[in-house]
Amino acid sequence: GAGVSQSPRYKVAKRGQDVALRCDPISGHVSLFWYQQALGQGPEFLTYFQNEAQLDKSGLPSDRFFAERPEGSVSTLKIQRTQQEDSAVYLCASSLVGPGQFLNTEAFFGQGTRLTVV
Amino acid sequence: AQRVTQPEKLLSVFKGAPVELKCNYSYSGSPELFWYVQYSRQRLQLLLRHISRESIKGFTADLNKGETSFHLKKPFAQEEDSAMYYCALGGSQGNLIFGKGTKLSVKP
Repeated sequence: GAGVSQSPRYKVAKRGQDVALRCDPISGHVSLFWYQQALGQGPEFLTYFQNEAQLDKSGLPSDRFFAERPEGSVSTLKIQRTQQEDSAVYLCASSLVGPGQFLNTEAFFGQGTRLTVV
Repeated sequence: AQRVTQPEKLLSVFKGAPVELKCNYSYSGSPELFWYVQYSRQRLQLLLRHISRESIKGFTADLNKGETSFHLKKPFAQEEDSAMYYCALGGSQGNLIFGKGTKLSVKP
């Protein structure tokens, strides 16, 4: 498919377990964003990549959260020692161009990964 | 601080009635504003952005800098408009700052 793909769609983790969430952006898209959406809330920004460079990680809630995009395509969001408050839908979005131009182009979102920590 | 406020969690109207989804923002510079929509079991998708001044699916939104608002309007609601609507502000880092969303329910 041509859209942003995220896997897994659903993940149940025991508290303390590490998880890895994958995002396949649209081919050729320069910018990639991760968002966290808690129940009843809007998406909240976590981190941003331009190609392989992580340009902004100011939204990551703690040092248990780590994201990478080593080859400028697929990205992984890793959460170590998961806690119940990490339960949320994690959204990935990609857009064609980089900062400064991003706001003039459309960001395409994936279906999200619903993480439940028990 | 950069912030988006959507005061209504739920808006319920009858088919054919006008709709206005409210959005207010806080931003010190020149804002870039968007409306995103999420239909049931579908992904979040862009509905419209203020810079293009377009009308999508009959929806329009006008940026009012004096009132710091970007309300979404449609003169005649349709049942297929039922969805979650999120107002978003383009942040200084190139990210999007979302409101909490308004669930629109259009009744037959």
